[in-house]
Amino acid sequence: GESVGLHLPTLSVQEGDNSIINCAYSNSASDYFIWYKQESGKGPQFIIDIRSNMDKRQGQRVTVLLNKTVKHLSLQIAATQPGDSAVYFCADTQGGSEKLVFGKGTKLTVNP
Amino acid sequence: DTAVSQTPKYLVTQMGNDKSIKCEQNLGHDTMYWYKQDSKKFLKIMFSYNNKELIINETVPNRFSPKSPDKAHLNLHINSLELGDSAVYFCASSRTGSGNTIYFGEGSWLTVV
Repeated sequence: GESVGLHLPTLSVQEGDNSIINCAYSNSASDYFIWYKQESGKGPQFIIDIRSNMDKRQGQRVTVLLNKTVKHLSLQIAATQPGDSAVYFCADTQGGSEKLVFGKGTKLTVNP
Repeated sequence: DTAVSQTPKYLVTQMGNDKSIKCEQNLGHDTMYWYKQDSKKFLKIMFSYNNKELIINETVPNRFSPKSPDKAHLNLHINSLELGDSAVYFCASSRTGSGNTIYFGEGSWLTVV
């Protein structure tokens, strides 16, 4: 089976709240992790990435946290906006491979 | 300018037909991919090419044949289309090596009737 999975298939938040999307992976050899955003009718769009030698990385309104002990990855979106509504995927590459393995996706809905 | 572009965006065809999806990237990347997304939004790699050479070939029926005429193009030809081939097919590209961001095209919606 796939090594990357998600805890919640859907997440609904109020505009302005912070969102947290979680992801679990099973392969200890995973060394590079990416979060993608996919809006309806479009391709996956890169949001942020993190390598296994880091435990936190911040971007604009987004933060990715990596906990290698429990093989857990999370994406935090600050001050969530309606434009953040999309399906979010975590993905990883394993042991130097270029093969990107995707999780199942979490649909984020932002209510005005 | 679209970085990874694929055509057609929508394709409706009958079972048994042969069809192709074309992909081009203008990012100067050496590696290109085809991913398939099913009705449950699950994304899975099918193939990857590096400098026109096949690198990754997942368990995909041999009715699917990728072709890379040069490193900026990776086309996907599908023979004898089946109902189960209906999906969204995404082309993608990246620089060579693990840990490089993979950039996706907008997808090609294939419906087999």
